[in-house]
Amino acid sequence: KNQVEQSPQSLIILEGKNCTLQCNYTVSPFSNLRWYKQDTGRGPVSLTIMTFSENTKSNGRYTATLDADTKQSSLHITASQLSDSASYICVVSSMKAGTALIFGKGTTLSVSS
Amino acid sequence: DTEVTQTPKHLVMGMTNKKSLKCEQHMGHRAMYWYKQKAKKPPELMFVYSYEKLSINESVPSRFSPECPNSSLLNLHLHALQPEDSALYLCASSQLGQGNSPLHFGNGTRLTVT
Repeated sequence: KNQVEQSPQSLIILEGKNCTLQCNYTVSPFSNLRWYKQDTGRGPVSLTIMTFSENTKSNGRYTATLDADTKQSSLHITASQLSDSASYICVVSSMKAGTALIFGKGTTLSVSS
Repeated sequence: DTEVTQTPKHLVMGMTNKKSLKCEQHMGHRAMYWYKQKAKKPPELMFVYSYEKLSINESVPSRFSPECPNSSLLNLHLHALQPEDSALYLCASSQLGQGNSPLHFGNGTRLTVT
């Protein structure tokens, strides 16, 4: 069964600190893995997309890694800001035709001052 | 602001009402999507349109009726909804034929069914 598991479920950090969010998946055949940021009451915004041949991709202070062998990904946030407070959703795409994107349940990050 | 515009932002409707949600994008994307998102849950796919034709219907009840009048517009017609249908309804679009194309989401319509 295609599944995407994220951890932790929620996280509280101080402004300026770094943090890492985890995503494990069992989707097969794998096409790509996406990280989205969703602010409360708004739609998700794409942060990164990685295929199996990419093992790291950055978008400003956000760096995503992918290990296609262990089927794990992480999202590292550097020098966190209050505006980073949001839900971070890991989404995996399958190469199987007609398969919808598989969403994780998200990690809720709270950055406090 | 997102490049996918959804109206209205908020909607309150009774169970006997008929209403429509609207979505518009001008990025030239030929795939458009409706998602439903309950509080503290990930979005759930409802419908996918490819080249203005319905390509995926995730077994959505018939009280939800999608429509894609042209390549820029996507509607979701609502009729006889139930209170459990209250949720954030998200529209998204993406390029077709590019498996790594990201979804561009609107900010959603917050629907409350009374």
